[in-house]
Amino acid sequence: EDQVTQSPEALRLQEGESSSLNCSYTVSGLRGLFWYRQDPGKGPEFLFTLYSAGEEKEKERLKATLTKKESFLHITAPKPEDSATYLCAVQGSGGGNKLTFGTGTQLKVEL
Amino acid sequence: DGGITQSPKYLFRKEGQNVTLSCEQNLNHDAMYWYRQDPGQGLRLIYYSQIVNDFQKGDIAEGYSVSREKKESFPLTVTSAQKNPTAFYLCASSPRVHTDTQYFGPGTRLTVL
Repeated sequence: EDQVTQSPEALRLQEGESSSLNCSYTVSGLRGLFWYRQDPGKGPEFLFTLYSAGEEKEKERLKATLTKKESFLHITAPKPEDSATYLCAVQGSGGGNKLTFGTGTQLKVEL
Repeated sequence: DGGITQSPKYLFRKEGQNVTLSCEQNLNHDAMYWYRQDPGQGLRLIYYSQIVNDFQKGDIAEGYSVSREKKESFPLTVTSAQKNPTAFYLCASSPRVHTDTQYFGPGTRLTVL
């Protein structure tokens, strides 16, 4: 059974204070690892898909990396508008290729 | 603008009533999904459909039903058999089933009174 664990559960940063969110996973045959951003009361917004260990993707202040056991979402010089819950999900070749989601990291960036 | 719409945004139901949540997409995606989100839990798959007139149960299908009569539409009915229906319901779509990035709608919050 595929599993995803995200840490920390919550993170409070000062504006400009860089940090990383962790997504540890176990999956049978990784097809893809997905990062989403979710604002309160809204649907998840797609950020990145990573397919193989060593892959990296960037978007503005966000950078996602992938190893064989975990993925990191690095946030460089965050701003208050980066405050949200960040969700990680994996898609494996077993279990019908369904997405398995973690419980998310709630990020708060303060002035 | 292409995207996924869900309605209503908020829905209140009395115990014993069935309710139907709407999901429409104009992305020309083949696959559509319904998830349930509860505090402190990851999104859980209720049903998915890879083509018109075909759908499969997800991990928590009991107490729910769906239909896929049109490519653009995938309504979810929460029946009175669902023991704990209060949750945030999310619809998603992808170009093909399970093998592409899934894009989500804005969600419907269902509260049972």
